[in-house]
Amino acid sequence: EIVLTQSPVTLSLSPGERATLSCRASQSVSSYLAWYQQKPGQAPRLLIYDASNRATGIPARFSGSGSGTDFTLTISSLEPEDFAVYYCQQRINWPGATFGQGTKVEIK
Amino acid sequence: QIQLVQSGAEVKMPGASVKVSCKASGYTFTNYGISWVRQAPGQGLEWMGWISGYNGNTEYAQKFQGRVTMTADTSTSTAYMELRSLNSDDAAVYYCAREWQAYCSSPSCRWFDPWGQGTLVTVSS
Repeated sequence: EIVLTQSPVTLSLSPGERATLSCRASQSVSSYLAWYQQKPGQAPRLLIYDASNRATGIPARFSGSGSGTDFTLTISSLEPEDFAVYYCQQRINWPGATFGQGTKVEIK
Repeated sequence: QIQLVQSGAEVKMPGASVKVSCKASGYTFTNYGISWVRQAPGQGLEWMGWISGYNGNTEYAQKFQGRVTMTADTSTSTAYMELRSLNSDDAAVYYCAREWQAYCSSPSCRWFDPWGQGTLVTVSS
């Protein structure tokens, strides 16, 4: 099974700062990687798919990059509504899917 | 708009079964699959399995094989997930999610969008 390891576990930042989240796969997943945002009490929401494409309605301050085993989600300037937990997900062996353990972006 | 609406919270005894429904609207049900994902309290996301909205084919995560059954009723655009022999480790929020095909030919480009609102399953004696 492919394991996704996210870092850091928690990121403490202030509004307006840049957030950089990492997701590393135990073996290559090509570009078959997505990022989801989850706020307390809510279902996850698709942010980025195919490693670097923003989903419909997602603001341009969110961007994704990477391929193979190393991926990054960047939030260029944090808005108050961006403080949440972020998960990466891979599907190279569809229909199976695995998620990272999550990175919590909290207000400093 | 595209929406998945799940059934309400459940409280079950250890050893019982639970069946969660997921009613789709706003798109052609048979054109997309549905995946089920669960989240234990304070924990991350765990994929449980997938069902085709077209022909009912299924694939389950190895961890749940023999204990889970996923079905779909195309006449009502509703997917179901039944989990048997519940124990305390099964206490979680269960989500359904539509498998949206991104702009590539591979099934590996299918991502979860949107998700249902979640169904809380409590296991307690």
